[in-house]
Amino acid sequence: KAGVTQTPRYLIKTRGQQVTLSCSPISGHRSVSWYQQTPGQGLQFLFEYFSETQRNKGNFPGRFSGRQFSNSRSEMNVSTLELGDSALYLCASSSGTSGRYTGELFFGEGSRLTVL
Amino acid sequence: TQLLEQSPQFLSIQEGENLTVYCNSSSVFSSLQWYRQEPGEGPVLLVTVVTGGEVKKLKRLTFQFGDARKDSSLHITAAQPGDTGLYLCAGEGRGKLIFGQGTELSVKP
Repeated sequence: KAGVTQTPRYLIKTRGQQVTLSCSPISGHRSVSWYQQTPGQGLQFLFEYFSETQRNKGNFPGRFSGRQFSNSRSEMNVSTLELGDSALYLCASSSGTSGRYTGELFFGEGSRLTVL
Repeated sequence: TQLLEQSPQFLSIQEGENLTVYCNSSSVFSSLQWYRQEPGEGPVLLVTVVTGGEVKKLKRLTFQFGDARKDSSLHITAAQPGDTGLYLCAGEGRGKLIFGQGTELSVKP
């Protein structure tokens, strides 16, 4: 079956702009998580959505937001971009179960954002 | 805040050598996963350990979960160039997966 698809793969923005990244999970998976990966900080958890509800959230400012649609596809948005937002943004899907995280995460190839 | 510390951060070895990567925390995790990430790709799950003291083997890779479920190790026997990549441990706790910073392994032929 098809894997996790993230678009766009690469993008360049300037400070102050906003960006929207998209993630299509594996068919049948209801949980989508977003991570920011940088060389200095590693993978930092942004948020997780399950059945259109944000189930968990990491320690990122409110400029980072997300949503999940009824078909489990998810988007994340970063507003008022800063230089430090340059990173690889990874989306991961899992079958999940209501109420708690469980199981293997299947990652997409990521969206590499460069902020100039 | 739950944190996972991995060591070493970088490891460069010759083909055929053995190595161990450590993943430590002061927090207890309900399970711990190990992932491997290659350049330009997302992490891929290698193994999940759930029970304290559990040992799992995947060909030349041996994974161990500490008795107290606060730490884990990954041992690779007779490393091959194909083992090169970023190895990440991830602990499940409080409904989310927390990742260590990773160990960048380079195996030279």
